[in-house]
Amino acid sequence: GESVGLHLPTLSVQEGDNSIINCAYSNSASDYFIWYKQESGKGPQFIIDIRSNMDKRQGQRVTVLLNKTVKHLSLQIAATQPGDSAVYFCAESVLGTYKYIFGTGTRLKVLA
Amino acid sequence: SQTIHQWPATLVQPVGSPLSLECTVEGTSNPNLYWYRQAAGRGLQLLFYSVGIGQISSEVPQNLSASRPQDRQFILSSKKLLLSDSGFYLCAWETGDGYTFGSGTRLTVV
Repeated sequence: GESVGLHLPTLSVQEGDNSIINCAYSNSASDYFIWYKQESGKGPQFIIDIRSNMDKRQGQRVTVLLNKTVKHLSLQIAATQPGDSAVYFCAESVLGTYKYIFGTGTRLKVLA
Repeated sequence: SQTIHQWPATLVQPVGSPLSLECTVEGTSNPNLYWYRQAAGRGLQLLFYSVGIGQISSEVPQNLSASRPQDRQFILSSKKLLLSDSGFYLCAWETGDGYTFGSGTRLTVV
C-alpha cells in the first residue's frame, strides 16, 4: 500500500546551523503534503504545507521543497534553535479523501 | 474560536479492563474526526475516522472501537485492554488544510 517514509530517524544539528529533514512518499496521486512538529508529550503541530502544483514554499525560518519526479519532500529549518528540538513528521494526502498518511518521524536534536 | 479537547491526559489501566477516551471539538460543525495511536518512538497510525454522526471507518482491525454519538464528540473504547494497547492516543480534527490535534492521552496498560 501507499506509504510515507523518512530517510533519517535522528538528526543532530549544531545550534545556528541549517537543518534538512527528508521524506519520501510512494503514492504518486498524493497532491497535498504537510510537515508537523511534535514536542515530547504533546500532539503534533502544523508547521507548513505544500500542494502539488508548487515545488517550494517558505514560512518563517522554514522552507518545504517538493520534488514530484522522485516523490521527495524536504523541510529546511534555517538557523536551528534549541526550541526546534522535536520529532518532525511529513504527511501526505489526496485532497478530498480526508485521510493523511504519516511517516515514522525524524527526531531533530539541536546541540548547544 | 475553534478548539479540540481530549481527556484524560494520562491513564494507567490493568489488562482486561475497559477503556473510554473522549474527544470533543468546539467552534465548528460537522467536522471530520480521527483517532490515531503513536507507539513509543514510532509514527502515527490511523485507527478510526468519522465524517459524521454514527459514521465510523476502521483502518486497522484491533481490540478497539470508536463511536460518534454527537456531531462534535468522538469516543475511543475497548471492552478488554491488552498490553499492546499501550501508547499515545491522539484525536484530530480535519480542517480542510490539515489536522488540528488534541493534546493526547498517554495510556499504559499494566
